Amino acid sequence: AQSVSQHNHHVILSEAASLELGCNYSYGGTVNLFWYVQYPGQHLQLLLKYFSGDPLVKGIKGFEAEFIKSKFSFNLRKPSVQWSDTAEYFCAVILDSGGGADGLTFGKGTHLIIQP
Amino acid sequence: NAGVTQTPKFQVLKTGQSMTLQCAQDMNHEYMSWYRQDPGMGLRLIHYSVGAGITDQGEVPNGYNVSRSTTEDFPLRLLSAAPSQTSVYFCASTWGTSGAHNEQFFGPGTRLTVL
Repeated sequence: AQSVSQHNHHVILSEAASLELGCNYSYGGTVNLFWYVQYPGQHLQLLLKYFSGDPLVKGIKGFEAEFIKSKFSFNLRKPSVQWSDTAEYFCAVILDSGGGADGLTFGKGTHLIIQP
Repeated sequence: NAGVTQTPKFQVLKTGQSMTLQCAQDMNHEYMSWYRQDPGMGLRLIHYSVGAGITDQGEVPNGYNVSRSTTEDFPLRLLSAAPSQTSVYFCASTWGTSGAHNEQFFGPGTRLTVL
């Protein structure tokens, strides 16, 4: 069965530090990849997505992610975090050829806390 | 556009009670889905629909029913609530008949507690 693994469940950083959140997936086919963010008390919002093409994708708020097919990874990065980046981050994967049956498979999330 | 809306925001039920969580979208999306979010578990797909009159099961469908009589609405019914259904429920929608090829838009969620 497909699965998504996020390595860090809780991350605490100081403002201006660099961020990298790991995401690995286990899927038997071509996949589309997403990072969603959930700010405290809010709903999920899309940070960025990868369907095809350049494996380095840029999203909103200075975030980027790199798809490395050989490593089944889609790590999220930001060179300098801000206090407002405090949130829960979810990596999600879906089969490119899949219908709705698969839906998005989410990782368990990473709770990021940025200290002023 | 209001996007994806959900009601209620909070609900407390007793074991065995039934209720319906409402979800509506005004973006003319064909694909709609329900997820539940539990601590340390991420989100898991309950049911989905690829258009009016068409629904199907996701990863964790037991204890839930859905229907899709219109493009806009996709209610989730709990027939006999159980404490294991205590969770935060999110509705999502997107263009097309597959959730694979577009960003999914999520509603604000319903926090359900079953005593």
